[in-house]
Amino acid sequence: EAGVVQSPRYKIIEKKQPVAFWCNPISGHNTLYWYLQNLGQGPELLIRYENEEAVDDSQLPKDRFSAERLKGVDSTLKIQPAELGDSAVYLCASSLELPGVHTEAFFGQGTRLTVV
Amino acid sequence: LAKTTQPISMDSYEGQEVNITCSHNNIATNDYITWYQQFPSQGPRFIIQGYKTKVTNEVASLFIPADRKSSTLSLPRVSLSDTAVYYCLVGDTLKTGANNLFFGTGTRLTVIP
Repeated sequence: EAGVVQSPRYKIIEKKQPVAFWCNPISGHNTLYWYLQNLGQGPELLIRYENEEAVDDSQLPKDRFSAERLKGVDSTLKIQPAELGDSAVYLCASSLELPGVHTEAFFGQGTRLTVV
Repeated sequence: LAKTTQPISMDSYEGQEVNITCSHNNIATNDYITWYQQFPSQGPRFIIQGYKTKVTNEVASLFIPADRKSSTLSLPRVSLSDTAVYYCLVGDTLKTGANNLFFGTGTRLTVIP
């Protein structure tokens, strides 16, 4: 079974340019997460979807970041315009949340963004 | 969410048993303790989860004392491939709709030949 697939794997852009990341979660998983991970730090949650609904986007910088999960499957995360401080790894994860069943998140390999 | 505290880093020689302790003094009654492992250039992956006493799987053991204010991840006979960052997470993983996985800074384990 394929895991969580993210693309691109690496991206280098100039500041003020837009950038988009794509995530294909594990088939059947109803919950999707986007995390940001800075060097030497743990992943920080940006947004969490339950199916197509964003249920927690409190940590998403909405002035420049946006995300969508159409039809409750694939998701895209966009930054426009990018700033130097946005350089980080962007991780996507998915899980199947069911009542009474432990949630275990499966992560993709991430997209390493470098803003120059 | 219960806050967790772990050592920033640990070194161990190959073949030794490694114990990584996590403190979670404010753990709630419904919270479970979950450990994730992250290799360089990869996303974290689930290792083990428990509520109390001891849990063992093919990768690790998890020891949780009666007061549940701490937990210890035990890796038997580590090899170079166990070099990674290990994260301790605390939360109610049975509760749907509120499961934000909170990662701290983790413990960077370096296995030395």
